[in-house]
Amino acid sequence: SQELEQSPQSLIVQEGKNLTINCTSSKTLYGLYWYKQKYGEGLIFLMMLQKGGEEKSHEKITAKLDEKKQQSSLHITASQPSHAGIYLCGALHGSSNTGKLIFGQGTTLQVKP
Amino acid sequence: ETGVTQTPRHLVMGMTNKKSLKCEQHLGHNAMYWYKQSAKKPLELMFVYSLEERVENNSVPSRFSPECPNSSHLFLHLHTLQPEDSALYLCASSQARQGTEAFFGQGTRLTVV
Repeated sequence: SQELEQSPQSLIVQEGKNLTINCTSSKTLYGLYWYKQKYGEGLIFLMMLQKGGEEKSHEKITAKLDEKKQQSSLHITASQPSHAGIYLCGALHGSSNTGKLIFGQGTTLQVKP
Repeated sequence: ETGVTQTPRHLVMGMTNKKSLKCEQHLGHNAMYWYKQSAKKPLELMFVYSLEERVENNSVPSRFSPECPNSSHLFLHLHTLQPEDSALYLCASSQARQGTEAFFGQGTRLTVV
C-alpha cells in the first residue's frame, strides 16, 4: 500500500470553481510538501507545512496540515486554466538528517475555460 | 528555473548501450536525489546522496549506477537497460536536514528501445 495516498486521482473543474485535494500519510509526518508538475517536466515547489494546524497560502492556493490525522489538504479558490497540472504531496519519512522525501501518486487537475 | 540542471533532456538508447545522466546544482545544497517517474505510478525514490555519501538505495537494479563526485554534481550511469526502464528521471537537491524543501531539475525523458 502507498505511504502517501492522494485523492482524488484526477479532477476536472470549470474555471472559477473551488477545489480540494487531500493527502493522507500512513506514517508519522516530519514535514509535508506540496509540488506542482506540468506533464513531462520537473516539480515546482509550492508550500511546506511542518506544524500541526499550520496553514499557508500562496495566491489562490491554501494548504493545511492536520498532524494528528496525518493529513494535508490543498485548496484552490476560483480556479484558472493556469492551475492545471499534476499536484503532488511529498513527506519526509524518517527522523535522521537524511530523511527520505517520498511522494503520493499525484492528482491531475484540468480546468475547463 | 529552479537552480537544478539536468542533461540531456531527452535520451533514446538501445538495450546494449551505455549512457549517463547528469545533474548539477549550485544552490549550496549537500543532499542530492534521483527519482524515477513512470506513467501512472508515483515518483519512486532511487538514490539519496548526503554529503557525497550514498545513504539510500531503494533496491534499484544494478544496471543503474549512481555517482556523486562532489556536492554539486550527480550522475546516473545506465547500462543494459530494459524497455520498462523508460521513464522520466528527475534529480533533486536539498539541504541535508529536515524541514527544507527539495528543488527539482526538469528531468530526462529516457526511452529504451
